[in-house]
Amino acid sequence: GAVVSQHPSRVICKSGTSVKIECRSLDFQATTMFWYRQFPKQSLMLMATSNEGSKATYEQGVEKDKFLINHASLTLSTLTVTSAHPEDSSFYICSANERGGEKLFFGSGTQLSVL
Amino acid sequence: QKEVEQDPGPLSVPEGAIVSLNCTYSNSAFQYFMWYRQYSRKGPELLMYTYSSGNKEDGRFTAQVDKSSKYISLFIRDSQPSDSATYLCAMTPNNAGNMLTFGGGTRLMVKP
Repeated sequence: GAVVSQHPSRVICKSGTSVKIECRSLDFQATTMFWYRQFPKQSLMLMATSNEGSKATYEQGVEKDKFLINHASLTLSTLTVTSAHPEDSSFYICSANERGGEKLFFGSGTQLSVL
Repeated sequence: QKEVEQDPGPLSVPEGAIVSLNCTYSNSAFQYFMWYRQYSRKGPELLMYTYSSGNKEDGRFTAQVDKSSKYISLFIRDSQPSDSATYLCAMTPNNAGNMLTFGGGTRLMVKP
């Protein structure tokens, strides 16, 4: 299957700082990427859909100014958690579908811990 | 009521057992069905993909979809300790990734 690379795998930061997470499609072009958040023992919650060359589409209840998404190329999307607070601590996962298909391939996830 | 229901487990089985994982759903529009395996603190890995009703086999894994009952299953034969993970079912009415709906996941433990 297609490979999606996500970095960093783990980040610890102080409250008030910003954290950037990268998501790359390694062997295919992804016009659309997706960002999820997952709390312990819970399923994935879609946060936003990242569209190459245009603004991201955010799910209801997700603050767009808090979670900045940039999809500047066909292989890279970034999620920046701005002014992070302890309640932002979570597991963030990106995904992409090859040629816009229904099969999603996921990155390895980023565990964010805000102190 | 959630759109996709999945028993959270944990489900504990001995090595070599046949495992049955299931999901029920309420939206009759779902056409594409997937099973993902997720190890702790890792991203989900696509295991099986099925379109509409029917069976699909891949090695030790068999996926079944019964759209009339709105019920899907994943069977794992000859289960191994390395199969210990959380299994997520997912489904969508079309080929748009942003409409993928996940079950809550079933945690499976295979004991040696």
